[in-house]
Amino acid sequence: DQQVKQNSPSLSVQEGRISILNCDYTNSMFDYFLWYKKYPAEGPTFLISISSIKDKNEDGRFTVFLNKSAKHLSLHIVPSQPGDSAVYFCAASDRNDKIIFGKGTRLHILP
Amino acid sequence: DAGVTQSPTHLIKTRGQQVTLRCSPKSGHDTVSWYQQALGQGPQFIFQYYEEEERQRGNFPDRFSGHQFPNYSSELNVNALLLGDSALYLCASHRTGPYSNQPQHFGDGTRLSIL
Repeated sequence: DQQVKQNSPSLSVQEGRISILNCDYTNSMFDYFLWYKKYPAEGPTFLISISSIKDKNEDGRFTVFLNKSAKHLSLHIVPSQPGDSAVYFCAASDRNDKIIFGKGTRLHILP
Repeated sequence: DAGVTQSPTHLIKTRGQQVTLRCSPKSGHDTVSWYQQALGQGPQFIFQYYEEEERQRGNFPDRFSGHQFPNYSSELNVNALLLGDSALYLCASHRTGPYSNQPQHFGDGTRLSIL
């Protein structure tokens, strides 16, 4: 059973526009959520996180929104840049620090 | 400030063999986690080491074992290799804190191919 779901395998966005990546989870014990970005032949790079006590966290061009009642989170990237083309993983953990990942969404930024 | 380093980068083994993968955590980190990433999938949690003990384990058989050393570095051992063990093995580290979660930082992984 997949506890973290990213239902869009890929997404294409025009450069300069907003990219919105979505993620759903099923385990109500998750209290910490993360987004990682991965380029080919590299390990995942931590992007941004949010605690379950918040509903929004911003870091520069990246904002993560958390809707606990819907068990849904999203990552907004604005404006999108060519270097943002990568695979994005949504991840969640409970108090035990074990991270559960989604399958990833491949983001293509179009010129 | 060195990040998480893993060795080797690539490895080719045959079925039934044994393999050891190594990881040095990011400076200041005391907790190491190992993940297996199959093609087209997200990383799957294997186990986590803290204070030289296995603190948590995912749904992996006993063929997968590990160790953490006093300097916080870690090894992942896999015995009796199967074709299905072919994957990217990722090591991640973080500092265990009493009050808040900390993000785990990943190495670039070891690509293991089983023939």
